[in-house]
Amino acid sequence: QVQLVESGGGVVQPGRSLRLSCAASGFTFSSYDMHWVRQAPGKGLEWVAAIWYEGRNKRHDGSDKVYADSVKGRFTLSRDNSNNTLFLQMNSLSAEDTAVYYCARPAGSSVSWRYFDLWGRGTLVTVSS
Amino acid sequence: DIQMTQSPSTLSASVGDRVTITCRASQSISNLLAWYQQKPGKAPKLLIYKASSLENGVPSRFSGGGSGTEFTLTISGLQPDDFATYYCQQYDSYSFTFGPGTKVDFK
Repeated sequence: QVQLVESGGGVVQPGRSLRLSCAASGFTFSSYDMHWVRQAPGKGLEWVAAIWYEGRNKRHDGSDKVYADSVKGRFTLSRDNSNNTLFLQMNSLSAEDTAVYYCARPAGSSVSWRYFDLWGRGTLVTVSS
Repeated sequence: DIQMTQSPSTLSASVGDRVTITCRASQSISNLLAWYQQKPGKAPKLLIYKASSLENGVPSRFSGGGSGTEFTLTISGLQPDDFATYYCQQYDSYSFTFGPGTKVDFK
């Protein structure tokens, strides 16, 4: 069935690193951009990062990824299309990164279809000493 | 970056009520707006895309409208399952900004 399953969350000390995974199934993973969205406890949704699908024209700066300012330089997105898995490497974590992290798939790659029609259940990251 | 606001932040209503949530963008986003419903402990669920298109399987009591900078989500005949938090999201720019949410609770 079509689904996304996140894993890798847990409790981590400030300044340390954590790597999240998102396993996709039921659709052609390599044909979709993929995103992470997070939600701090009791707070709203915050878009975190996106990675282009394989073969899509790169951005004007030559990259195939885009990040929210709040995580730029600390978080790195990657994907393994052969294993249908998305990764989020999170470094230099702080308490402000404590959140449920959701993997999300847009309906399509063109601008009109970039809303998220498929979400995982999320994985909780707690940054605490 | 495009900023999104929603009003009200909380809406108290009864079963059968017609409720409307407003979402505003800091600049024009054409119709590139989605609405999501979220219940506690669950992932968001897509309700509306392109401002007014109903996602497959979503009840027809949900409707969306607007374009440019002002948008609405209307629930016509609130059902017990509709008590939740609702978020708008712009996808015109690569900040994919969400609104702060509107919680619909029991009056």
